[in-house]
Amino acid sequence: KQEVTQIPAALSVPEGENLVLNCSFTDSAIYNLQWFRQDPGKGLTSLLLIQSSQREQTSGRLNASLDKSSGRSTLYIAASQPGDSATYLCAVSFGNEKLTFGTGTRLTIIP
Amino acid sequence: DAGITQSPRHKVTETGTPVTLRCHQTENHRYMYWYRQDPGHGLRLIHYSYGVKDTDKGEVSDGYSVSRSKTEDFLLTLESATSSQTSVYFCAISGGRGYTFGSGTRLTVV
Repeated sequence: KQEVTQIPAALSVPEGENLVLNCSFTDSAIYNLQWFRQDPGKGLTSLLLIQSSQREQTSGRLNASLDKSSGRSTLYIAASQPGDSATYLCAVSFGNEKLTFGTGTRLTIIP
Repeated sequence: DAGITQSPRHKVTETGTPVTLRCHQTENHRYMYWYRQDPGHGLRLIHYSYGVKDTDKGEVSDGYSVSRSKTEDFLLTLESATSSQTSVYFCAISGGRGYTFGSGTRLTVV
């Protein structure tokens, strides 16, 4: 059974700092990995999708990397802002059958 | 997200009553999913569909049934609601851009 772990569970950093969120998974035969953010009481917003053949994806201040051999992905956020405060979830899939989620990292950016 | 909508957004129902949640997509995606989200458990797959009339169970399917009579609609039914089914329910679709989630339905069973 695929397990997805996100460490730390919570993180607080001052505004303007760069930060890294971690995601690890137990089965390297993934189809893709996706990062989401979720604001309190809201749905999931897709941030980045990395196909299994890719090593990284970038969108604005966000960069996600994927290392299948080690079962790890990182989400790098540059120049953090208070609006980045949210819970960040990574999820892996083996195709279209199932998306397995990590338990998330709750990020707080301190103004 | 504009391509996927859920209804209702909020619902309070009594134990033992049937409840149906609706998911509607405009993306013409083949795959659709129902998840529930609970504190301490994260997001868990209830059922999914891989085409009209084609559905399968997820990891927490007991007490739930689904139907898909059209590509754009995926219905989740709680046959006889219980307090343990109080949760936030999310519908999702998957395609070339990965998974897209609806805004969720907050269901309270009293």
